[in-house]
Amino acid sequence: AQSVTQLGSHVSVSEGALVLLRCNYSSSVPPYLFWYVQYPNQGLQLLLKYTTGATLVKGINGFEAEFKKSETSFHLTKPSAHMSDAAEYFCAVSDRGTGGFKTIFGAGTRLFVKA
Amino acid sequence: GAGVSQSPRYKVAKRGQDVALRCDPISGHVSLFWYQQALGQGPEFLTYFQNEAQLDKSGLPSDRFFAERPEGSVSTLKIQRTQQEDSAVYLCASSSAAGTGSYEQYFGPGTRLTVT
Repeated sequence: AQSVTQLGSHVSVSEGALVLLRCNYSSSVPPYLFWYVQYPNQGLQLLLKYTTGATLVKGINGFEAEFKKSETSFHLTKPSAHMSDAAEYFCAVSDRGTGGFKTIFGAGTRLFVKA
Repeated sequence: GAGVSQSPRYKVAKRGQDVALRCDPISGHVSLFWYQQALGQGPEFLTYFQNEAQLDKSGLPSDRFFAERPEGSVSTLKIQRTQQEDSAVYLCASSSAAGTGSYEQYFGPGTRLTVT
């Protein structure tokens, strides 16, 4: 079975600083990896995903993530944090279940952005 | 077009009551997922439908949980004899693809269930 570990339940950065949210996964097969963002009282929204091909993936709102197979990591970065980036971020891996694919989520990292 | 909608948004139930949570997926989406999200945790998979067929229900925590999607569109998650540990946000998601894990899931806003 696949699993996801997000290092750090809370991350705080200053506005304009680099954002780095860490994600490690375990998988016995080449994974499909995702980052989702959740704003208060809203559903999850896809930021970016890795399926095949280029290991550096660019997403919405200036976020990007790099798939590193040797490190089993898929860390999320953004060069310059904005106040509007404050939210909960979830890393996820797609896992084949009994009838198809299901998504396994990490516990989440809450990002705080200080003015 | 409209996204995934869920109703009610908030539900308070007394322990032992039955509840029904509704999900309206994006029109034409083949796949539908239900997740349970406890406070401070990530979503946990409950069940998956491809059209009207429930292909995976391995995440349902007990036989008190039941989901259906009879016409391949709207889905209902039913919880019988609710317990306090059922308190959580229940998320529904849909996807245009079937049989592959690489496609984006579109999430609804969730139903927050509180069992008192």
